[in-house]
Parts: sequence; C-alpha cells; structure tokens
Amino acid sequence: GQSLEQPSEVTAVEGAIVQINCTYQTSGFYGLSWYQQHDGGAPTFLSYNALDGLEETGRFSSFLSRSKGYSYLLLKELQMKDSASYLCAVGSGGYNKLIFGAGTRLAVHP
Amino acid sequence: DVKVTQSSRYLVKRTGEKVFLECVQDMDHENMFWYRQDPGLGLRLIYFSYDVKMKEKGDIPEGYSVSREKKERFSLILESASTNQTSMYLCASSPRTTGELFFGEGSRLTVL
Repeated sequence: GQSLEQPSEVTAVEGAIVQINCTYQTSGFYGLSWYQQHDGGAPTFLSYNALDGLEETGRFSSFLSRSKGYSYLLLKELQMKDSASYLCAVGSGGYNKLIFGAGTRLAVHP
Repeated sequence: DVKVTQSSRYLVKRTGEKVFLECVQDMDHENMFWYRQDPGLGLRLIYFSYDVKMKEKGDIPEGYSVSREKKERFSLILESASTNQTSMYLCASSPRTTGELFFGEGSRLTVL
C-alpha cells in the first residue's frame, strides 16, 4: 500500500523559517514533489527530489531521505502570501503518477 | 505559459444525470490525470492517461470513466451522478517523469 503523512496545520511568524514534514510509505518510488495551493486555487509545483539531499529554489528548499521515507519543505523569510496549503506527493508506478498527502495548512502571522 | 483549461468552474447536477468534465492542455504533454479533492482527504487519483486512447485506473475509479480521443483532451464522465461525487475535480497534465504536474483551475461539482 501507499501512505503519506503530513501535519494538518502549522503556524509561523512573518520573516521566520518554517519546516513542513512529510513521511511516506510506497512501493515503487519515483521521486517526491511539493506543491503549494492557495484557497480556491489550483496546486502549483514547488520542487522535486528524485535523489537524497537538499534542493534549493529561492526561499524554498526541499530535502529527501529515501532510506527513512522522509522529506521536508523549508520556507525561509516567510511572507504573508506564503499562507497556503502545502502538499507532498510521491511518484508511484511511472508515467508521472503522483499520490498526494492530505496537505499541511500554513498560517503566517504578522 | 503552460495552460490546462477545464470547461466548467461550477456545475450543479441531479442524482442520476450523466456528467461530462472536459480538460484541454496546450503543451503537447503525454500524460493527463483526473483527481478529486475533498477536505481532509487531499487529492485522490481517479484515472490517468499516458497516450491517446490509453487509460489506467487510479485509486478511486468506481463510478467514473474517461476518454482520450486526442492528445490534448481528456474527459471525465460520471455515468450516473451520485451525491457522494460532490467534490472539486482537478485535471492535470505533465510531460514524462518529472514530478511536475500542471493543474487546471478545477471544476466544483455539486450533485443534488
């Protein structure tokens, strides 16, 4: 079977750093992606890790440990506009088929 | 810019009606997907297609069918809508294995 676990909610202060964790169990691993989704909007791609280690894109970084079935998304210099849901997703079975977690709602406060 | 267009943003249908949700992408992507999104459950894969006329079941295909007659278009069909199919439906497309899906804006379906 396949499962992904994320915290349901995280809160942080503007300008701070926040880490959102994702643990997964899957047969046939094809990489892990992170998406951002604002209320009423479509998910938008943030990052992709196929191999262990850290990937950085601007204020966002994503880390993967395949042996531990673990990933995190790190958001630096938080802004109010970062308030959104963050979804982790694992590739399973090829063809870019992604299985999503339930998402973590991030609330950024002044 | 990559664009995935879903035909309707909001639909209201009655139980038993046949419902068509249309999705068109303009990026010449091989793969297309239909997900539904419900509070607390996240996105769940209904069906996907990796080529014209090719389709594969996702995790929750019951009550749904799909059609892909042209590369750019992927349709989701509810043969006989039921109230438990009230949901947000999201279409996505992608090139081959990159981890990146491009989503449409979603179609919110209410079945009464």
